Amino acid sequence: GGIITQTPKFLIGQEGQKLTLKCQQNFNHDTMYWYRQDSGKGLRLIYYSITENDLQKGDLSEGYDASREKKSSFSLTVTSAQKNEMAVFLCASSISGANTGQLYFGEGSKLTVL
Amino acid sequence: GEKVEQHQSTLSVREGDSAVINCTYTDTASSYFPWYKQEAGKSLHFVIDIRSNVDRKQSQRLTVLLDKKAKRFSLHITATQPEDSAIYFCAAPLVGSALGRLHFGAGTQLIVIP
Repeated sequence: GGIITQTPKFLIGQEGQKLTLKCQQNFNHDTMYWYRQDSGKGLRLIYYSITENDLQKGDLSEGYDASREKKSSFSLTVTSAQKNEMAVFLCASSISGANTGQLYFGEGSKLTVL
Repeated sequence: GEKVEQHQSTLSVREGDSAVINCTYTDTASSYFPWYKQEAGKSLHFVIDIRSNVDRKQSQRLTVLLDKKAKRFSLHITATQPEDSAIYFCAAPLVGSALGRLHFGAGTQLIVIP
């Protein structure tokens, strides 16, 4: 089996600050995703990447940048943290082109902006 | 684009009873419908899925029913146990994208009362 590791688990930032979240997977999966989870809402896709150096915008990409420099890692940057923002960011990966679309999720990174 | 909705925010059942969580979708061409479970303080993990070439799929105590005409699918859990308590998310893929690019419902919190 594999694992997805997200760092940091908790991130506290100041308004206007640039903040970066990192994700590593050892499944050897091609596709990786960043989702945002807000309390009482479903997950919303921010960015995804189907291979190394590929980036695709999701439904919520404004205010974020992403980077896929290696197959195993996918990072997300909040370009300017919003005051009182609080959300959990979930990284996931999947095998592309397989018969299953099953996503494997990391434990999440919880962001709090003071 | 695809819209996935779960209208039950919370569902309470007594231990041993059955639970049914419903989900609707908008895109007639959708063909893959997974369910994910999120236990308190943890990340999401895949539980079961169904493809549009069948209308029923069972795995132990879990059954997924798909009604393509009504654009509705449901998760049935029989003989509920306290460890079934969690938030359940349904999802459907953005048509034309990789299967992993999922749109999620807002989640239904299942509470199993001992």
